[in-house]
Amino acid sequence: DIQMTQSPSSLSASVGDTVAITCRASQSIRSYLNWYQQKPGKAPKLLIYAVSSLQSGVPSRFRGSGSGTDFTLTISSLQPEDFATYYCQQSYSSPAFGQGTKVDIK
Amino acid sequence: QVQLVESGGGLVKPGESLRLSCTASGFTFSDFYMAWVRQAPGKGLEWVSYISSSGTTTYYADSVRGRFTISRDNAKNSLYLQMNSLRAEDAAIYYCARDTRMMSTFGGVSTFDNWGQGTLVTVSS
Repeated sequence: DIQMTQSPSSLSASVGDTVAITCRASQSIRSYLNWYQQKPGKAPKLLIYAVSSLQSGVPSRFRGSGSGTDFTLTISSLQPEDFATYYCQQSYSSPAFGQGTKVDIK
Repeated sequence: QVQLVESGGGLVKPGESLRLSCTASGFTFSDFYMAWVRQAPGKGLEWVSYISSSGTTTYYADSVRGRFTISRDNAKNSLYLQMNSLRAEDAAIYYCARDTRMMSTFGGVSTFDNWGQGTLVTVSS
């Protein structure tokens, strides 16, 4: 099974900051990598699919990059509504999620 | 708009069974693969199972294979998860999710593009 590892597990940032979350796969997943955002008490929401394609309605301050085993989610000019937990997920084989990265307010 | 509504969660004892349901609306249910994803309290997301659009093909995580059975009734726009021999570690919020293949420059990528609100399963003696 492919394991997904995110780092950091949590980070603190201020409104307006740029933050980056990394996700590493235990083997190549080519570009089969998605990102989700989850707010407390809510279901996850698809943000980015196929590494860098924004889901409809997702602001352009969210950017995904990478290929193979190493991927990054970058959020530019952090907004109050962006404080949440982010998960990467591979769909190359049986779906697997990273353990999540919580972004909270500094 | 797409709507997924789960039901059937509750408190059960270890070893007991429970059947979850998910009712879909706002899209052609029979065109899509569907999945169950769970989240233990305070923990991350774990894919549990998914089922092909026709219901003929099913996939399971190792942690539930042999104990859980996914099924669907396309005439009723409904997805199910039969959970047997429940363990304490199965306690979680169970989400129903639509599996959509999104097109990209290199082909289709499977995503969970719509989720229900979840139903809570508690396993405790």
